[in-house]
Amino acid sequence: EAQVTQNPRYLITVTGKKLTVTCSQNMNHEYMSWYRQDPGLGLRQIYYSMNVEVTDKGDVPEGYKVSRKEKRNFPLILESPSPNQTSLYFCASSLFRQDTGELFFGEGSRLTVL
Amino acid sequence: AQSVAQPEDQVNVAEGNPLTVKCTYSVSGNPYLFWYVQYPNRGLQFLLKYITGDNLVKGSYGFEAEFNKSQTSFHLKKPSALVSDSALYFCAVRSNTNAGKSTFGDGTTLTVKP
Repeated sequence: EAQVTQNPRYLITVTGKKLTVTCSQNMNHEYMSWYRQDPGLGLRQIYYSMNVEVTDKGDVPEGYKVSRKEKRNFPLILESPSPNQTSLYFCASSLFRQDTGELFFGEGSRLTVL
Repeated sequence: AQSVAQPEDQVNVAEGNPLTVKCTYSVSGNPYLFWYVQYPNRGLQFLLKYITGDNLVKGSYGFEAEFNKSQTSFHLKKPSALVSDSALYFCAVRSNTNAGKSTFGDGTTLTVKP
């Protein structure tokens, strides 16, 4: 089954404790991206990757890091989480062609930073 | 900078009536426009997209959307709403000048009453 898998789905942590949210897709997609969803703010793009070893900042990259060492994986790293990073996080992927481009989303990771 | 506006936080319609969820956008270059739907505690699911060609695009579950270049709009429509259409709807834009960046609107909650 084609899917984007995120882990963990739920996490409660404390300020300053490094954490990683993993994202993996099995569709051989070139493009992957991370978003955060906050009430009333829609989805805001954190980072994206056009292909392996190619990453770029989205609209809200501060406090986050990413890496793309393999095509299928795109982990999101919070080096020193703060309470304002409490949010619902989504990973997404897509083929990167002119005639496609729709995003396939994971089920989300709800993060609480105390 | 690109942007998306969904002017209505909430749309309420009666089952069987037509529905419209509004979206306007601003982008440099040619727009790629998308609608996604989110059910409670789930990731976003793709509904339909406009890349090029016919201004009226048809998508999943009987939804359609009309691209209007002069009004920079991409409103989502359905001729006859179902209770099961109740969900959160997001409009999103990418462009040919920076296809890696995806910008989402704040979302519109659609409630269809029996």
